[in-house]
Order: sequence, then C-alpha cells, then structure tokens
Amino acid sequence: AQTVTQSQPEMSVQEAETVTLSCTYDTSESDYYLFWYKQPPSRQMILVIRQEAYKQQNATENRFSVNFQKAAKSFSLKISDSQLGDAAMYFCAYERGTSYGKLTFGQGTILTVHP
Amino acid sequence: GAGVSQSPSNKVTEKGKDVELRCDPISGHTALYWYRQSLGQGLEFLIYFQGNSAPDKSGLPSDRFSAERTGGSVSTLTIQRTQQEDSAVYLCASSLGDRQYEKLFFGSGTQLSVL
Repeated sequence: AQTVTQSQPEMSVQEAETVTLSCTYDTSESDYYLFWYKQPPSRQMILVIRQEAYKQQNATENRFSVNFQKAAKSFSLKISDSQLGDAAMYFCAYERGTSYGKLTFGQGTILTVHP
Repeated sequence: GAGVSQSPSNKVTEKGKDVELRCDPISGHTALYWYRQSLGQGLEFLIYFQGNSAPDKSGLPSDRFSAERTGGSVSTLTIQRTQQEDSAVYLCASSLGDRQYEKLFFGSGTQLSVL
C-alpha cells in the first residue's frame, strides 16, 4: 500500500520569507501523480500544485514550487515571499495511475505566517 | 452552484442514531468522492462515484456506512448507529471525471460530532 509521510506537524515563517514543507512517499508504482493541497480554516481543500511522476522538471505555480526527487521519493513544497494568506494546513497527496481521484494523504503540516 | 455544496455544515448526534450528510457537486462533474478527516489526521478515502458505473466502495470503514448518488448529481452519505469514533469532518469532492489526475474540487465539509 502507498503511504505518504509529512514529518513536520508545524512550521512557521516570517512574512515575505521562504519556507519549505517536506513530504516523502512510498510506492512501487511507476505511474503516479503528487499533489499539495491547502486547507484554510474554512475546511475547503484547495489544490496548490501537482507533479506528474514521469516529468523530471519540477512544477511551479507562481510563488509555489516543488522539489521532486523521484529516486528518493521526496516531494517538498517551497513557498516564496510568504503571505499572511498562506497560513493554513498543507497536505501532500499521492494518486496512483489507475486510481482516478482516490488520493492518499499525509498527516498535514500547519503553517503559521508571522507579520 | 459555483462550487461543491455540503450540508449540514455541522451535525451533533447521539451515539446510536443514524445521520445523513448531503453533497451537491459542481454541475457537469461526473465524478464524486467522499473523504473523512479525523482530528489531526489527513484525509481518508471513503467512496467514489463515476457516472453510471458501480461505485468504488473500497474505503468504507464498516457496513454502517453507505452512500448513494441520485440522478448522477446529489450524493448522500449515511452512517447508521453512529459511534464516537465516527466523529470527523466528512468532505465531498467532485471532478469532471474524464481523465486521470484531475483537479478535485472540495466542499467545506460536514463536521460530525457523536456524543
């Protein structure tokens, strides 16, 4: 079975600084996707960024980028120029090639942004 | 509606009672998912509906849990004879359902508290 591990229960960052959230996963599959979702206090999960396993190039979405190390099964999220609105719970998630939306989530990392 | 709608937002019930949670997906989305988020945990997949196909119920934790989707749109998750361990946030998501690795659109969830 696939597992996703987020080893940082909580992280904090100063506004305008950069922070990196860690995620590791375990799988024997070669076809999969990785995601980072953000969950603000409203509880609504919002997709931040996604990465296809077959792509070597790291995904980037504005201030958000990932460091995808396939051999190490590591998928970290870097948030640059942190903003107060980035404060939330962040979840790393894995989707197997044939799973169609059946995601395996990590335990989450609470991010606090200090003004 | 513009997004995935879930009701009620919060539900308090007594142990042993049955509860029904409702999800109204984005219009035109053929795929619908239910996830459960226990306190301090990541999301756990429960069930997946795709069009008129038989649902994937592989994540339902016990036979007290069931779900249906009427007319390919609204879904109801039913928990019979609720137990205290059923207390969690129940999140619904939908997607277009026409490809792998799609973006899931989540609702704000139902916070279920079993006393």
